[in-house]
Amino acid sequence: GAVVSQHPSRVICKSGTSVKIECRSLDFQATTMFWYRQFPKKSLMLMATSNEGSKATYEQGVEKDKFLINHASLTLSTLTVTSAHPEDSSFYICSARDSGRAGTQYFGPGTRLLVL
Amino acid sequence: ELKVEQNPLFLSMQEGKNYTIYCNYSTTSDRLYWYRQDPGKSLESLFVLLSNGAVKQEGRLMASLDTKARLSTLHITAAVHDLSATYFCAVDRGSTLGRLYFGRGTQLTVWP
Repeated sequence: GAVVSQHPSRVICKSGTSVKIECRSLDFQATTMFWYRQFPKKSLMLMATSNEGSKATYEQGVEKDKFLINHASLTLSTLTVTSAHPEDSSFYICSARDSGRAGTQYFGPGTRLLVL
Repeated sequence: ELKVEQNPLFLSMQEGKNYTIYCNYSTTSDRLYWYRQDPGKSLESLFVLLSNGAVKQEGRLMASLDTKARLSTLHITAAVHDLSATYFCAVDRGSTLGRLYFGRGTQLTVWP
């Protein structure tokens, strides 16, 4: 099946620093990628929809200036958590939509962020 | 907004037993997905159901879709410990972008 990678898989940072997470579709082109956040024992919460070549669409309550999304190519989207705080600690998961396979979504392995 | 309800949220069952997880959704949908998540891991795709009456089976898991009732089921047959995980259903209502709406998940524990 299609593969989506995320990097890094785990990151620890100090409060106030910024962290960039990459999401890549490895064997297909994805005009649309999604960024989710998941708290322990909870479902996935959609943060934003990332569209190649245009601005991301953020869900209500998600600060676009804090969670910067860039979808610079058909295989790469990045999420930057700016000025991270401990409450930003979470599991971040991206997914990529393969328009060539009837729009099936494939999920990345996730990035666990811990802000100290 | 499309709402997706799963039940039960927690399921503890003995090995060898059968059980069904239910997924109801509130509006018409283009397709329905079932995912598995192990602790600390991301989502693993189990099934994609595309049409009314669709039934798919993989090992001890079988998923079905009734679009008229807006209901999908995930049936577990003769459960084994390796099936312990959290199972999510997700609905795509056919928008251009393909946004998924997730249920809250069913945490399944299979004990000897």
